[in-house]
Amino acid sequence: GDSVTQMEGPVTLSEEAFLTINCTYTATGYPSLFWYVQYPGEGLQLLLKATKADDKGSNKGFEATYRKETTSFHLEKGSVQVSDSAVYFCALSDGGATNKLIFGTGTLLAVQP
Amino acid sequence: DAGVTQSPTHLIKTRGQQVTLRCSPKSGHDTVSWYQQALGQGPQFIFQYYEEEERQRGNFPDRFSGHQFPNYSSELNVNALLLGDSALYLCASSTRQGLQVFTGNVLTFGAGSRLTVL
Repeated sequence: GDSVTQMEGPVTLSEEAFLTINCTYTATGYPSLFWYVQYPGEGLQLLLKATKADDKGSNKGFEATYRKETTSFHLEKGSVQVSDSAVYFCALSDGGATNKLIFGTGTLLAVQP
Repeated sequence: DAGVTQSPTHLIKTRGQQVTLRCSPKSGHDTVSWYQQALGQGPQFIFQYYEEEERQRGNFPDRFSGHQFPNYSSELNVNALLLGDSALYLCASSTRQGLQVFTGNVLTFGAGSRLTVL
């Protein structure tokens, strides 16, 4: 079945460092891809999305490009801030009748001042 | 505009008991999905409700059941609780149209109900 694999954390960075969180997927069809963020004590928030190959999603300085040839959707940010500390989830939508989401296991990002 | 509201926020139960979790969807949304997030894991799809019917179910036993009311709110029931049912239960709402013409960002998640089974 469809699945998402993302790099294990925690990822610890200093403020203003470059961030990459790797995500690869397995899917039989043409999924949409997402990055969600979960701050402590809060629900999931959509960070960015891409619905077809070569699309680039971007939001709040974060970017990810849908790479069909490598089945990847890596999350990047050029300069992280302490406020970016959270758990990041890569996910795909299987495009079925309910468009349910399939999530990776999450990557904890800790940014130190 | 209130988003998705879940209750209770935290609860503790013992093995064998039953629990009911509640979800009020975002205003204008008619579809509710439930996810289970175990500690250190990503959320897993339990089921989705639309027009008061279960539309799709994930890989969860029949101990997990749900209901949707005419006002679109929803309940998740878990019977015969096991230690492994300890998790954060997330409710997400959306519009049916938004899911069918999928453009992304159509799911709004609540903050979750954290269930601890002792």
